[in-house]
Amino acid sequence: EIVLTQSPEFQSVTPKGKVTITCRASQSIGSSLHWYQQKRDQSPKLLIKNASQSFSGVPSRFSGSGSGTDFTLTINSLEAEDAATYYCLQSSTLPWTFGQGTKVEIK
Amino acid sequence: EVQLVESGGGLVQPGGSLRLSCAASGFTFSSYWMTWGRQAPGKGLEWVANIKQDESEKYYVDSVKGRFTISRDNAKNSLYLQMNSLRAEDTAVYYCARMGWPPDYWGQGTLVTVSS
Repeated sequence: EIVLTQSPEFQSVTPKGKVTITCRASQSIGSSLHWYQQKRDQSPKLLIKNASQSFSGVPSRFSGSGSGTDFTLTINSLEAEDAATYYCLQSSTLPWTFGQGTKVEIK
Repeated sequence: EVQLVESGGGLVQPGGSLRLSCAASGFTFSSYWMTWGRQAPGKGLEWVANIKQDESEKYYVDSVKGRFTISRDNAKNSLYLQMNSLRAEDTAVYYCARMGWPPDYWGQGTLVTVSS
């Protein structure tokens, strides 16, 4: 099973600040890494697929990069509505696995 | 607009069974793989199972193999998860999702509580 390790687990950032979340895979997964946002009491929403492709309708302040084992989700110019937990998911190898999540708080 | 609505959750005793349903609309259901995921209270997300358009391929996380069965009815635009031999650790919100590869649209979830 591929283990995804996200860091940090918690981040508190002021509005208009920048958030950087990393996701490290226990073995190479190519670009089969995707990012989700989950707000409190809501279902997950896809932000980035295949490491760097923005999903339809996602604001341009969200971007992804990386390949192999190291991936990054960046949120530029953070807005209050971005308060959420962010998860990475790998679909390279069954069983699919998620990172443990990164909670982003707005100061 | 893509819509996925789960139902069938509830309280069940350990060892019991439950069948979850997911009603899909707003897209051509028969053209997509579908998936189930879950989230235990206060915990992270977990992938549970995938099913191909014609049911010819099904995949499960090890912890549910032999106990859960994913199925679909393309004529009814519906996805199902039959859960047998339920355990306390299966307590979670269960989500269905469309596989735009990766899962792109998710339902609002249905809560399954396994407790005596």
